[in-house]
Amino acid sequence: GAVVSQHPSRVICKSGTSVKIECRSLDFQATTMFWYRQFPKQSLMLMATSNEGSKATYEQGVEKDKFLINHASLTLSTLTVTSAHPEDSSFYICSAELIGGGVLETQYFGPGTRLLVL
Amino acid sequence: GIQVEQSPPDLILQEGANSTLRCNFSDSVNNLQWFHQNPWGQLINLFYIPSGTKQNGRLSATTVATERYSLLYISSSQTTDSGVYFCAVGYNTNAGKSTFGDGTTLTVKP
Repeated sequence: GAVVSQHPSRVICKSGTSVKIECRSLDFQATTMFWYRQFPKQSLMLMATSNEGSKATYEQGVEKDKFLINHASLTLSTLTVTSAHPEDSSFYICSAELIGGGVLETQYFGPGTRLLVL
Repeated sequence: GIQVEQSPPDLILQEGANSTLRCNFSDSVNNLQWFHQNPWGQLINLFYIPSGTKQNGRLSATTVATERYSLLYISSSQTTDSGVYFCAVGYNTNAGKSTFGDGTTLTVKP
C-alpha cells in the first residue's frame, strides 16, 4: 500500500523557536496533502490543505503566519510552526491523497510528529 | 459545518467477540472513510465507503448515505484491534478535507 512518512517523529523545543515538520509520500505522487492536529484524547482537526505549487488553504481559526506550509514538490509538504509556544504542543499528522487513474481513492496518513514546546 | 457523531464512545470486549460501531452524520456526503488509530498514533485506513458495503477479512462496513449513517463491523475481535476508530466524512472531492468524529475507543481484552 501507499506509504507516507513524517520527520521528525518527536521534537522538543524551547518556547520562541521554530520547528519544521516534513511529510513525504514515498511511493506515489500527491498533488494534495493535508495537515491535522490532534490533542490528547481528542479527534483530528484539519488545519490546512496543501496544494503542490500553490498556496495552502487554511481552515477557519488557523493562523497562516503561525503555521507555514510549503508544498514544493509532488512528494513533499512541510509545516513550520513559527515562534512555537507551549499551547502549540500537540500531535501533528499529515496525509496525502491518492488518486489512481484520475479517480479519487483515499488518503494515507503519516505516522505523526509529537511536538512538545517547553 | 457537518456534524459527525460516533457511538459508542468506549467499548470493552473480550477477545473473540463481535462489535458494531456507528457513525451518524448531519448532511449529505460524497466521501466517508473509516480509520483505526493504533496506540502509537498511526492512522490506518480501513475503508473508503461513501455508500454500499465492503468487506476486508474480519472487518466490514456499510454506509446508507440516504439515511446518513455508516456502520463498521468487527468480528472475532483480537487484542490487536484495540485503539480508536474514527469515521471521517466530507462533501467535496478531496478525501482529506474531511470532518472527523470523536472516535470510538475499543479495548479488546485477552
